[in-house]
Amino acid sequence: SQQGEEDPQALSIQEGENATMNCSYKTSINNLQWYRQNSGRGLVHLILIRSNEREKHSGRLRVTLDTSKKSSSLLITASRAADTASYFCAPMPISSGSARQLTFGSGTQLTVLP
Amino acid sequence: GAGVSQSPSNKVTEKGKDVELRCDPISGHTALYWYRQSLGQGLEFLIYFQGNSAPDKSGLPSDRFSAERTGGSVSTLTIQRTQQEDSAVYLCASSPRTDTQYFGPGTRLTVL
Repeated sequence: SQQGEEDPQALSIQEGENATMNCSYKTSINNLQWYRQNSGRGLVHLILIRSNEREKHSGRLRVTLDTSKKSSSLLITASRAADTASYFCAPMPISSGSARQLTFGSGTQLTVLP
Repeated sequence: GAGVSQSPSNKVTEKGKDVELRCDPISGHTALYWYRQSLGQGLEFLIYFQGNSAPDKSGLPSDRFSAERTGGSVSTLTIQRTQQEDSAVYLCASSPRTDTQYFGPGTRLTVL
């Protein structure tokens, strides 16, 4: 598996603003996932984007993928206090073994201020 | 429907004792993973079960760690002779035949 690197490490915004987080990785991938973790609800899958997709939407989430730059971004629109959490990307390499386990970097800690 | 459940939610034990952590995956999910997450550390893969295949134990940190999955459903992670460095949150995840994983709430293990 391969670790993605999230950027920035920390982000603080006002409620209602948009939040953008970035992820970079090193090798060719089958897909890339974003997960969220907060103290109350554990790790939650947000969205999966395949290598042949460039953009995907889910509710207030918009994910882009640029395989030529080996990067992805997660945009949360109209943020809410409940969006406060750590966000992790998980690139799934083409060369991943049978286990296909997830590997996270240190994540982006998003704080949405009311 | 019901998600992945884990028990206990918290476990405090003394160094040298054995502990068992339980995971109930989502019904019908063939894949089951154990991870651990230590303070300030990322997600560390421990072991993977897929159907009736032999488990992938490549992530287990020592022979004190073992896991089994009975009947292709419930899994138990056992840590023998616990050490203080075993203190972490142990996460279980299950997955259908996709890459998306569904995590349980975790068991916070504290070894005194």
